[in-house]
Amino acid sequence: QKEVEQNSGPLSVPEGAIASLNCTYSDRVSQSFFWYRQYSGKSPELIMSIYSNGDKEDGRFTAQLNKASQYVSLLIRDSQPSDSATYLCAVGGYNNNDMRFGAGTRLTVKP
Amino acid sequence: EAQVTQNPRYLITVTGKKLTVTCSQNMNHEYMSWYRQDPGLGLRQIYYSMNVEVTDKGDVPEGYKVSRKEKRNFPLILESPSPNQTSLYFCASSRGRTSASYNEQFFGPGTRLTVL
Repeated sequence: QKEVEQNSGPLSVPEGAIASLNCTYSDRVSQSFFWYRQYSGKSPELIMSIYSNGDKEDGRFTAQLNKASQYVSLLIRDSQPSDSATYLCAVGGYNNNDMRFGAGTRLTVKP
Repeated sequence: EAQVTQNPRYLITVTGKKLTVTCSQNMNHEYMSWYRQDPGLGLRQIYYSMNVEVTDKGDVPEGYKVSRKEKRNFPLILESPSPNQTSLYFCASSRGRTSASYNEQFFGPGTRLTVL
């Protein structure tokens, strides 16, 4: 069974701090890695995708991928209360049907 | 506007009464999928479709049926709903080629189903 593991949290950070969210996966041949943000009662929204080792930055978000360690992370700089949500890690193989989601980490940013 | 739509958004029904949740996308995506989301369990795939007339089971297909007669539509059918199918359901779509960048999935707004 291909697994995607996340710390369920809740993770609480003060406004303006860096929030660090982590994810590990079991399938070594995984090729695509995503972070989705999900507000309570809403649908998941894609915020970052990463396909090769290293860092990828988009605004306040940085995704980091280490395939050797089977580890992907999301950093949120200058956290805002509006970033309070559950963050889902998703890992995929060569085909769409290989996609697996973690259970999510709940982030709370306190003003 | 590029989007995935689902209907109904909320549904309360009784055990055994057949129901259909519709899903439609306007992005000409090949791949479509249904997930259910339950507290503590995350998103679990029910069924997926790689293209028209091509469907396959996901991780939790029992009690569900799907069809893909047109590229844009992928309805989820519960022939005889039971209380353990009470959940939040999401439809998703993506471009669907065998290349990592085509795996980005876009989700519909969700359907909250309660089976009494």
